[in-house]
Amino acid sequence: AQSVTQLGSHVSVSEGALVLLRCNYSSSVPPYLFWYVQYPNQGLQLLLKYTSAATLVKGINGFEAEFKKSETSFHLTKPSAHMSDAAEYFCAARRDAGNKLTFGGGTRVLVKP
Amino acid sequence: GAGVSQSPRYKVTKRGQDVTLRCDPISSHATLYWYQQALGQGPEFLTYFNYEAQPDKSGLPSDRFSAERPEGSISTLTIQRTEQRDSAMYRCASSLVGSSGEQFFGPGTRLTVL
Repeated sequence: AQSVTQLGSHVSVSEGALVLLRCNYSSSVPPYLFWYVQYPNQGLQLLLKYTSAATLVKGINGFEAEFKKSETSFHLTKPSAHMSDAAEYFCAARRDAGNKLTFGGGTRVLVKP
Repeated sequence: GAGVSQSPRYKVTKRGQDVTLRCDPISSHATLYWYQQALGQGPEFLTYFNYEAQPDKSGLPSDRFSAERPEGSISTLTIQRTEQRDSAMYRCASSLVGSSGEQFFGPGTRLTVL
């Protein structure tokens, strides 16, 4: 069965500093991979997705993620954190043959001024 | 509609009562999903529909949980004889059939079972 692991349930960064959120998946076949962001009292919003077209994926709000097959990883980064980036971030995977998303446990990001 | 909507946004019920949650997907989306998200965890798949068909119910935790989508649009998730462990956020999402997997999520229904 597919599983997704996010290292660190909470991350604290200073405004302007690098944001790095880690995600690893378990699969013998590279799946479709996604990063979602959840703001308080809102639904999950797609940040970016990997669908095998390119290993470096750029998303909204300055975020990007790199797919590394050898490490089974899909880490999310943003060079310079903004106060508005404070939210919870979820990594998710979907197998080609199925429709359901398998989510990691989430990482809550706190941005300090 | 323009986005996925869910109702009610909040539901408080007593143990043993039945509850029904509603999801109205994006109008052009044939595929609809239900997820359960416990506090402090990521969403977990419950079931999904392609139009009216329900190909996968593997995530439903017990036979107290059921979902319907009779006309291929609005869907309901019903929990019978609710238990305290059913307290969670219930999220609905929709997508185009055969898409690369991008699912659009609604705001969720927060269910509290007392």
